[in-house]
Amino acid sequence: DIQMTQSPSSLSATVGDRVTITCRASQSISNYLNWYQQKQGKAPKLLIYEASSLQSGVPSRFSGSGSGTDFTLTISSLQPEDFATYFCQQSLRSPLTFGPGTKVEMK
Amino acid sequence: EVHLVESGGGLVQPGGSLRLSCATSGFTFRTYWMSWVRQAPGKGLEWVATIKQEGGEIYYVDSVKGRFTISRDNAKNSLYLQMNGLRAEDSALYYCARDKIVGPTKFDSWGNGTLVTVSS
Repeated sequence: DIQMTQSPSSLSATVGDRVTITCRASQSISNYLNWYQQKQGKAPKLLIYEASSLQSGVPSRFSGSGSGTDFTLTISSLQPEDFATYFCQQSLRSPLTFGPGTKVEMK
Repeated sequence: EVHLVESGGGLVQPGGSLRLSCATSGFTFRTYWMSWVRQAPGKGLEWVATIKQEGGEIYYVDSVKGRFTISRDNAKNSLYLQMNGLRAEDSALYYCARDKIVGPTKFDSWGNGTLVTVSS
C-alpha cells in the first residue's frame, strides 16, 4: 500500500499569512495527488486534483505543486474561512489512501 | 446542483449488519464511478470501496473485504453499502462520494454522511 504523510500535523497562522502544507508518498505517484479541505462537522471538499489542477469554484489563493513523492498545498493569503483541516490523497492505485491531515488553526 | 444523501446508519451490535444507502440527484449518476469513504470520530479519512459505472469493477480496502459489499442501482440513482460482520473498528461516519467519469480518482462531491456505531 502507498503510505501518505503530511507535515506539519497542525499549524497556527494569521489572516493574510502564506501557508504551506507538505504531503509525501511512500513511493512515486506521478501527479496522482488530490487535496481536500474539511471544516469542523462538515464533509470534505475537493480543492486540487492531479497535484496542481484547481477544482472548479475553488478560490485561486489555493494552489498545488509537486510530482513523484513530494507535494505542496499553498494558500497564498489565508482567509478566515480557510481555518480547517487539509488532507492529501493518492489516486494512483487501490487502496486509495489519505494523509493524516494538517489542521490550520488561528494564531 | 449535485446532491448526495446517505441513510441507513445506526447503532448495531458487533457481528451485526447494516445497509447504507446514498440517494443522488443533480447529475447523470450512471456515468460516474462512486465510492464510500469513512471517518472514525476525531480521526482521518479512510477509503472503503469503489464501484465502476455499470458495476463491472469493484474495489475494497483490505479491512472490509469479505464483509462489505458495494452496489448501485443506476435506475434509482442510488449507491449502497451492505455491511456484515460489523466490528467496533467499523464505527465511523460513512460518506458517499462521487468519483470520476474517467481518469484518476477525485472525490468531487460528498454527502453529509451517516453515522455507524458498532457497540454492545
